Amino acid sequence: EDQVTQSPEALRLQEGESSSLNCSYTVSGLRGLFWYRQDPGKGPEFLFTLYSAGEEKEKERLKATLTKKESFLHITAPKPEDSATYLCAAPRTGGSYIPTFGRGTSLIVHP
Amino acid sequence: DGGITQSPKYLFRKEGQNVTLSCEQNLNHDAMYWYRQDPGQGLRLIYYSQIVNDFQKGDIAEGYSVSREKKESFPLTVTSAQKNPTAFYLCATALPGPRETQYFGPGTRLLVL
Repeated sequence: EDQVTQSPEALRLQEGESSSLNCSYTVSGLRGLFWYRQDPGKGPEFLFTLYSAGEEKEKERLKATLTKKESFLHITAPKPEDSATYLCAAPRTGGSYIPTFGRGTSLIVHP
Repeated sequence: DGGITQSPKYLFRKEGQNVTLSCEQNLNHDAMYWYRQDPGQGLRLIYYSQIVNDFQKGDIAEGYSVSREKKESFPLTVTSAQKNPTAFYLCATALPGPRETQYFGPGTRLLVL
């Protein structure tokens, strides 16, 4: 069964304190790993797609990396406005168009 | 402006009532999806449609129905058979293909009176 597991469930950081969020997956023949940011009461906002092991993508203070078993979202010198829930997702095994989503990591950055 | 709109933002359902959530897009995407989000849970797929006049059940379709008469529109009806409808409902669209990114609307929060 396809599984996408995110850890930790919740993370509290001080402003400027860098850290990483983890997304591990058991999907066979990975065809993409997606990262989203979701603010309270809003729809998820697309951040990155990674397609192959070793690939990295950056946007402002965020950098996403991918290995054969997991992806990391690194947050460098975070600011309070980075507080949100971060979701990852991967298309299901077998050519499906449907992604399986993890439960998310809730990030709070204190000033 | 290109994008996905969902209405209403908040919806109140009385017991035994059917309610319909609207999802409209002008991104010219073929695929459209409905998800349900509950606190502490990931997004769960209700229904999806890859093309006009065709749709498939997702993981939790019981108590829900959809139609896809136009490329731009994919309304979701929450029927009285759905006994626990209180949730945040999200509509998403994508170009065809398993490597394509899904883009989400702003969501509708459904509450039961």
